[in-house]
Amino acid sequence: QQQVKQSPQSLIVQKGGIPIINCAYENTAFDYFPWYQQFPGKGPALLIAIRPDVSEKKEGRFTISFNKSAKQFSLHIMDSQPGDSATYFCAAMGGGYQKVTFGTGTKLQVIP
Amino acid sequence: NAGVMQNPRHLVRRRGQEARLRCSPMKGHSHVYWYRQLPEEGLKFMVYLQKENIIDESGMPKERFSAEFPKEGPSILRIQQVVRGDSAAYFCASSRGQGNQPQHFGDGTRLSIL
Repeated sequence: QQQVKQSPQSLIVQKGGIPIINCAYENTAFDYFPWYQQFPGKGPALLIAIRPDVSEKKEGRFTISFNKSAKQFSLHIMDSQPGDSATYFCAAMGGGYQKVTFGTGTKLQVIP
Repeated sequence: NAGVMQNPRHLVRRRGQEARLRCSPMKGHSHVYWYRQLPEEGLKFMVYLQKENIIDESGMPKERFSAEFPKEGPSILRIQQVVRGDSAAYFCASSRGQGNQPQHFGDGTRLSIL
């Protein structure tokens, strides 16, 4: 019940494309959903986060869409750039759990 | 305005030795979390500490692993009698307080067991 399922495992898009990463959760007590970006040799960096009372949140070129009834959320990266090439993790928190429950990660490659 | 500082960045140990990983949280943060990441996998929660207290150690192996966050000084993750399976990247995160506060991560310690 603590899992967060993430897909796809890897993704290749051309520069300017819109990669979409999807996540699903089971625990309805989760109430905070951050996304992290990780470059090789670095720690995860908080990218954007959403709470379930909001259906969409935008920060720059990054947009989270949230479907509370389906228990799904997704990350869209507009006008993707080669510098966006990284591994992206969706995550969930809440229900009295302070820990972050991570998805399995999506390795994104943006080719010029 | 330093972020979460972890050291060492790389640590090599032989089987049976002890590994000590250190984490200094961001300024103003009193909550520390340790996670482990195996190659090509997501991060898995190990332990959550506040100053001088272990709050949640549900992800920590029962044997050989321990963690502390003393009143003064960094948080320490200690692995005794290391085995090859302990090879991983260990990340520390910190947050300002309770509730769903964003956790900020360090760049990790990469532990290799020979």
